[in-house]
Amino acid sequence: DVKVTQSSRYLVKRTGEKVFLECVQDMDHENMFWYRQDPGLGLRLIYFSYDVKMKEKGDIPEGYSVSREKKERFSLILESASTNQTSMYLCASSVAGTAYNTEAFFGQGTRLTVV
Amino acid sequence: GQNIDQPTEMTATEGAIVQINCTYQTSGFNGLFWYQQHAGEAPTFLSYNVLDGLEEKGRFSSFLSRSKGYSYLLLKELQMKDSASYLCAVRVTGGSYIPTFGRGTSLIVHP
Repeated sequence: DVKVTQSSRYLVKRTGEKVFLECVQDMDHENMFWYRQDPGLGLRLIYFSYDVKMKEKGDIPEGYSVSREKKERFSLILESASTNQTSMYLCASSVAGTAYNTEAFFGQGTRLTVV
Repeated sequence: GQNIDQPTEMTATEGAIVQINCTYQTSGFNGLFWYQQHAGEAPTFLSYNVLDGLEEKGRFSSFLSRSKGYSYLLLKELQMKDSASYLCAVRVTGGSYIPTFGRGTSLIVHP
């Protein structure tokens, strides 16, 4: 079974703190993603990586950065946490390729509260 | 960009059939996914359609009409455990082929 593991289920951080969310996948997937999920807004893509050290901005990258130093690990960084970044954060991975089904496998999510 | 529309909430009775619709407006269509997400859990993959027609998988089926920009997820013999959010996601050609998600449909199954 594919496993995508996020380091924390729940986090509480203070405004202005630098926050690291870690994600590890064990299926040698090329693609990794960070989404945030908010009520009424659905899943919104923050950043995407298709290879080690490669990254692309998603729909809402402001206030976030990412790091992918190893294929299996994709980190999301909140440079200076703000209350509007309180949300559920979901990491996902998938194989590369476009000619067939490339379903995404999701981690359990990290519920981040910024106070 | 892509515009994906799903109903916000639906209710149904245990044992019944329910159809959850998804409409999209996009260019360069390259596949449509359905995911199920129980409260507090990760989304899990249900189905993928890239050609027109119906794909059946047990109690769940997914239909696609590319010319109409329309898909539906059909759930038969509803069970209480089917209460969840159902997410439609569309992938387009070009760029990085990353699916864009709709806002999801919350399905409540009543006894």
